[in-house]
Amino acid sequence: GAVVSQHPSRVICKSGTSVKIECRSLDFQATTMFWYRQFPKQSLMLMATSNEGSKATYEQGVEKDKFLINHASLTLSTLTVTSAHPEDSSFYICSARQGPETQYFGPGTRLLVL
Amino acid sequence: TQLLEQSPQFLSIQEGENLTVYCNSSSVFSSLQWYRQEPGEGPVLLVTVVTGGEVKKLKRLTFQFGDARKDSSLHITAAQPGDTGLYLCAGDRGSYIPTFGRGTSLIVHP
Repeated sequence: GAVVSQHPSRVICKSGTSVKIECRSLDFQATTMFWYRQFPKQSLMLMATSNEGSKATYEQGVEKDKFLINHASLTLSTLTVTSAHPEDSSFYICSARQGPETQYFGPGTRLLVL
Repeated sequence: TQLLEQSPQFLSIQEGENLTVYCNSSSVFSSLQWYRQEPGEGPVLLVTVVTGGEVKKLKRLTFQFGDARKDSSLHITAAQPGDTGLYLCAGDRGSYIPTFGRGTSLIVHP
């Protein structure tokens, strides 16, 4: 299957700092990428849909000013967690859509805010 | 309200046993995907089903899409410890934005 990478794989930061997570589709172009958040032993919660060349669409309850999404190219989307706090600690996963019915997931980024 | 209900939520079985995981909804889906996720990793796509009544097999895994495209099941025959993981179903109602079920955490004991 297609390959999607995420960087970094894990990050520890101090409260109040900002953290940027990159999501790249390595072998295909993705006009749409998704950002998810996952708590331990729970399912994925869709945060936002990232569209290349336009503003991201955020799900209800997700603060767009806190979770900044930029889809700068057909192979790269970034999620920036601004002024991170301990409650933002989580597993963040991106996916890239290839075709109407198929999306491939990145390996995830573990964020720990101290 | 969860759009996609997955059951059971947890499953702990012995190697060699069979199991079935269900994914149910009151909504019709244009397609439905099954994923398997291991701890600390992203979900890996197992299968996509799009036609009502469709049955797909992947080695010991059998996936079925309901005739009305509202439900799906995943059956594993002779489970092995390597099958351990979180199984997720995700449905698309035509908006190309998937909705995930809560997941089924499977543990297969040797």
